Amino acid sequence: NAGVTQTPKFQVLKTGQSMTLQCAQDMNHNSMYWYRQDPGMGLRLIYYSASEGTTDKGEVPNGYNVSRLNKREFSLRLESAAPSQTSVYFCASRPGTARPGQPQHFGDGTRLSIL
Amino acid sequence: QKEVEQNSGPLSVPEGAIASLNCTYSDRVSQSFFWYRQYSGKSPELIMSIYSNGDKEDGRFTAQLNKASQYVSLLIRDSQPSDSATYLCAVAPNDYKLSFGAGTTVTVRA
Repeated sequence: NAGVTQTPKFQVLKTGQSMTLQCAQDMNHNSMYWYRQDPGMGLRLIYYSASEGTTDKGEVPNGYNVSRLNKREFSLRLESAAPSQTSVYFCASRPGTARPGQPQHFGDGTRLSIL
Repeated sequence: QKEVEQNSGPLSVPEGAIASLNCTYSDRVSQSFFWYRQYSGKSPELIMSIYSNGDKEDGRFTAQLNKASQYVSLLIRDSQPSDSATYLCAVAPNDYKLSFGAGTTVTVRA
């Protein structure tokens, strides 16, 4: 039972490079989320997808794009990486509005460094 | 004002003592509240959820919710070194999103 799987686990990029972080869940959840976590800042929401076919901006969307490829997969893309995007990125999922009040479940994270 | 605020910590407690963590939130319509534990270098894991005013106990953990005062707390009884971690308070202002506090780091001294 994998839960939420993120790839890659670690990545180093140069400024200006692009990259896509992958996330897949096998819990048949409707809602998926991308967060970044920086020291002392807690988890900040980048983008979320309440259900397949929809995406919405979170607290810190600038410099990112997302794609809800299907119900299982939700990817995060950095088009032109900047050092300020060095962070740990977490993907999460939850059942969705059919089951209100359910918590989110997190993947193991992607540690991204941009030089 | 941040949506969710936690006592800043770090919090150091001796083994066997009670660790008390506090969290306040700004959105009065919030209905769901969660505590996550995060070990260094790991992802957040859910340890408690609470939806109604009052106390909810699960093993050595007790969550307390007071919607009128807009605070939620977590007590860890008989603290163990394995409880050393950062604890994140999360509040659901609607069914789509969670707002997280910055976390309180707890260190249990043997």
